[in-house]
Amino acid sequence: AQKITQTQPGMFVQEKEAVTLDCTYDTSDPSYGLFWYKQPSSGEMIFLIYQGSYDQQNATEGRYSLNFQKARKSANLVISASQLGDSAMYFCALQPRGKLIFGQGTTLQVKP
Amino acid sequence: DVKVTQSSRYLVKRTGEKVFLECVQDMDHENMFWYRQDPGLGLRLIYFSYDVKMKEKGDIPEGYSVSREKKERFSLILESASTNQTSMYLCASSLEGRISGNTIYFGEGSWLTVV
Repeated sequence: AQKITQTQPGMFVQEKEAVTLDCTYDTSDPSYGLFWYKQPSSGEMIFLIYQGSYDQQNATEGRYSLNFQKARKSANLVISASQLGDSAMYFCALQPRGKLIFGQGTTLQVKP
Repeated sequence: DVKVTQSSRYLVKRTGEKVFLECVQDMDHENMFWYRQDPGLGLRLIYFSYDVKMKEKGDIPEGYSVSREKKERFSLILESASTNQTSMYLCASSLEGRISGNTIYFGEGSWLTVV
């Protein structure tokens, strides 16, 4: 069975500091993708970053990086230099063979 | 501009009513998904479809059915709406096979209240 878990319901970070959002997963499929999405209060889903299971290097996209530890089955999102506009819900997602499943989400609040 | 369009943004329905939520994509995508989103539970997959007339159950299919008669349209049906189906419903679509995250597209969501 496939499963994805986000254990932090809510997080606070000071503006300009870095923050790590945790995500662990479980799948028996050797080939899979891992995603992070941001959902602001408006409700839209914004793609942040993608990591393929066979990618040798950790993915990075601007201020976002994905700390991929395959043996530990974790795919943590690191946001550097937090901004007020980063306050939102963040979802980790797993895609083995087409099916796309999401974690419970982490609410991030950035303090000025 | 690519798009996933959900027919209704806000709906209020009565218990026992049959409810249709429509989703249309204009990108010729093979895969389409229906999720519901509830506080503390994240997005939970209800059904997905990988081709016309093909469907697979997700994690919470009970009380729902789906229809995909045309490639661009994926409908979610609540045969007899109940109050515990009050939620936000999200539709998404993607190309077939292994893809990167930025080729999964989401609709704006449909807020359903069952009274």
